[in-house]
Amino acid sequence: EAQVTQNPRYLITVTGKKLTVTCSQNMNHEYMSWYRQDPGLGLRQIYYSMNVEVTDKGDVPEGYKVSRKEKRNFPLILESPSPNQTSLYFCASSLGVGQGSVQPQHFGDGTRLSIL
Amino acid sequence: AQTVTQSQPEMSVQEAETVTLSCTYDTSENNYYLFWYKQPPSRQMILVIRQEAYKQQNATENRFSVNFQKAAKSFSLKISDSQLGDTAMYFCAFMIPLGLGNTPLVFGKGTRLSVIA
Repeated sequence: EAQVTQNPRYLITVTGKKLTVTCSQNMNHEYMSWYRQDPGLGLRQIYYSMNVEVTDKGDVPEGYKVSRKEKRNFPLILESPSPNQTSLYFCASSLGVGQGSVQPQHFGDGTRLSIL
Repeated sequence: AQTVTQSQPEMSVQEAETVTLSCTYDTSENNYYLFWYKQPPSRQMILVIRQEAYKQQNATENRFSVNFQKAAKSFSLKISDSQLGDTAMYFCAFMIPLGLGNTPLVFGKGTRLSVIA
């Protein structure tokens, strides 16, 4: 089954304790992305990756890191989490663009992070 | 910068009736894509419908259709014969294709739709 898998689904942790949210897709997609969803703000992009070893900042990258060492994985790293990073996080992936066409993004089921 | 505005934070509709969700956007680009995503209480993000800006014909997917007005930069979603399972948050989103790479999806803040039995 084609899917984007995020882990964990829920996490409660404390300020300053490094954490990683994993994201894996089994569709051989080139493009992967992380979003955070906050009430009244919709979804905002944190980082994205066009392909292996190619990453770039989105709209709200502060406090986050990512890596893309393999095509299927795109982990989100919070080196020193703070309460303002409490949010619902989504990973998404899609095929790369060919001939200018756009492929819709497939989303994971979300990870709810609470930073105390 | 591109922006997407959904002016209706909440809406409700009777089961079997029709409802229209509004979305406007701002861009200076001529080629772009528009999407409607549905987020039910399960939190999944589900693609409902997409529209390419270069296509004049409005996209349709079963009970879901759009009214795309390029000059007015408007992209509304019409849900016909509303069902209880349509209860969800709906997000309008925008994307510009650049070369061989996708660019970030820009989302509106969402409209919470409640379908009432």
